[in-house]
Amino acid sequence: QSVLTQPPSVSGAPGQRVTISCTGSSSNIGGGYDVHWYQQLPGTAPRLLIYVNNFRPSGVPDRFSGSKSGTSASLAITGLQAEDEADYYCQSYDSSLSVWVFGGGTRLTVL
Amino acid sequence: EVQLVESGGGLVKSGGSLRLSCVASAFSFTNAWVNWVRQPPGKRLEWVGRIKSVTDGVPTDYAAPVRGRFTLSRDDSKNTVYLQMDSLRTEDTAVYFCTTFSGTYDDAFDIWGQGTKVTVSS
Repeated sequence: QSVLTQPPSVSGAPGQRVTISCTGSSSNIGGGYDVHWYQQLPGTAPRLLIYVNNFRPSGVPDRFSGSKSGTSASLAITGLQAEDEADYYCQSYDSSLSVWVFGGGTRLTVL
Repeated sequence: EVQLVESGGGLVKSGGSLRLSCVASAFSFTNAWVNWVRQPPGKRLEWVGRIKSVTDGVPTDYAAPVRGRFTLSRDDSKNTVYLQMDSLRTEDTAVYFCTTFSGTYDDAFDIWGQGTKVTVSS
């Protein structure tokens, strides 16, 4: 049971838009802690995709965007491409556990 | 190129020990706070622990499942952080990644190693 809840899977056709939710609680996202998002391709290390809720690191396409409201955050991907097929994880800090926590991960399938 | 390289993984029996290493190159390691994150086969990422820099007093923090069994240490002269894993359990089987933040993107983990696989047999 993850502290941050994500849908196990999402899918979309090339060119479409998908969103991935990340639901937490008052001890993490709702407590004002930032959310970061990572992309993990099969057999590789995670790659930072979005930091501090809605900022993109250098080199990340603007097709990727993030948002945060209340106890939840979302990752949106527009103009889906085959190379976007990967696992996506949200991350935040949990003050009651005093640890970094990750969501359960969402597998994106590009149809 | 800025990078972290893990080593030391392998197969060990339940109750045994392993020491993982994380070597940094091409960036200032002295001030880095190094985290370990693990990923059991087919499962989610799990934060394991963190060691702060010497200038911050080198405090360490651990996730509850490993507290008391895992120990972090660092040797800045070798740009290396160690994860000593004792009393290993089958549920510790995972790929272990070391990661840190450069500070460019706040405290998000923007530098990752390639991971080292740990398998604990019963």
